[in-house]
Amino acid sequence: GESVGLHLPTLSVQEGDNSIINCAYSNSASDYFIWYKQESGKGPQFIIDIRSNMDKRQGQRVTVLLNKTVKHLSLQIAATQPGDSAVYFCAATGGGNKLTFGTGTQLKVEL
Amino acid sequence: EADIYQTPRYLVIGTGKKITLECSQTMGHDKMYWYQQDPGMELHLIHYSYGVNSTEKGDLSSESTVSRIRTEHFPLTLESARPSHTSQYLCASRAVTDYEQYFGPGTRLTVT
Repeated sequence: GESVGLHLPTLSVQEGDNSIINCAYSNSASDYFIWYKQESGKGPQFIIDIRSNMDKRQGQRVTVLLNKTVKHLSLQIAATQPGDSAVYFCAATGGGNKLTFGTGTQLKVEL
Repeated sequence: EADIYQTPRYLVIGTGKKITLECSQTMGHDKMYWYQQDPGMELHLIHYSYGVNSTEKGDLSSESTVSRIRTEHFPLTLESARPSHTSQYLCASRAVTDYEQYFGPGTRLTVT
């Protein structure tokens, strides 16, 4: 089955620096990937997604990179702000188009 | 902001009680999901539905049950709550044509 993992449980960055959160997935048949942000006491919120026919996708201050060869994706946040502090999850499609979520990475922004 | 709602937001209940967690969405989404999440941990799919009268068990074994009588409503029921059920329960929905799932705010359940 699908397993999705994040490389680091906690990431601390200085305000204004760029953040990179990494994620590995196991199912080579996964064709859709999504990043969610979850603030304390709230449900996950969509950040950005990417399909397997793409290597890179950019949003507002965020970029997702997909490397299908090594089954790895990353989320880059430019000019990290205190409001970016949250837990970030990656997810990938598995069997039956369901999403499999990885363990979260806690992003802490230091002033 | 997504139009998906969960009630109650917080619930403390004694062992053996029957509880129903409510989830409603106003987006007309056919697909709905229930996840269980321990603090800071990954989301585990416990139930899903692809439409009215369709319900399936998810990847994580759960003693809960669900029903889908109306498109917008997907309640989850625990017949007899136990301390091991203490967790956060997240409801989500999506359109058939889209992979993105929209999440509700969650219900934090504590069973004493």
